[in-house]
Amino acid sequence: GAVVSQHPSRVICKSGTSVKIECRSLDFQATTMFWYRQFPKQSLMLMATSNEGSKATYEQGVEKDKFLINHASLTLSTLTVTSAHPEDSSFYICSAKDPRGNTEAFFGQGTRLTVV
Amino acid sequence: AQKITQTQPGMFVQEKEAVTLDCTYDTSDQSYGLFWYKQPSSGEMIFLIYQGSYDEQNATEGRYSLNFQKARKSANLVISASQLGDSAMYFCAPERGDTGRRALTFGSGTRLQVQP
Repeated sequence: GAVVSQHPSRVICKSGTSVKIECRSLDFQATTMFWYRQFPKQSLMLMATSNEGSKATYEQGVEKDKFLINHASLTLSTLTVTSAHPEDSSFYICSAKDPRGNTEAFFGQGTRLTVV
Repeated sequence: AQKITQTQPGMFVQEKEAVTLDCTYDTSDQSYGLFWYKQPSSGEMIFLIYQGSYDEQNATEGRYSLNFQKARKSANLVISASQLGDSAMYFCAPERGDTGRRALTFGSGTRLQVQP
């Protein structure tokens, strides 16, 4: 079964509104989670590293005020797309690694965001 | 920035045959991990295989194996006995960053189509 759960799987929102995406580690505590974005027919691009108890680290070119990341507990990170625009429509996916020595990075199911 | 090259945007293979998907990367890290993931049309990321840079043996996981050549910074995925269900996008993804907080950087991917 899934060890990283992401919700919602699909969301449609109006331009100008905000959308929150949740990423939960189910079987382990994750001090670090990663958020990726994938446009159609493209690869996954790292947006930011979510750090429990501290500020997220954003990749170059990613607006931190637009993509708010909160990692308030060891099992939950949230990504909020604020004032969404149609160009924010994309597939957002999170991942986390079990710190107990497992090398695999587990991914959530992904969220397909459509801004209309 | 780390650069990952997957030179084959699309590949065809006959069912039951083997196929090799290429991946080269650049990194200045001495110790790192190298992952391959499969992404079917549903969007989920499925872990296939992992190679540690200091592992002396090439990694194998069932029908998947890696042809890892560290000096050439090459980690080609070999899928043996292809099945129709293997049709998907395949991404090569080296780790980057500090130990314990390593994010994955993804190549552009190869779309594999298995033909009956």
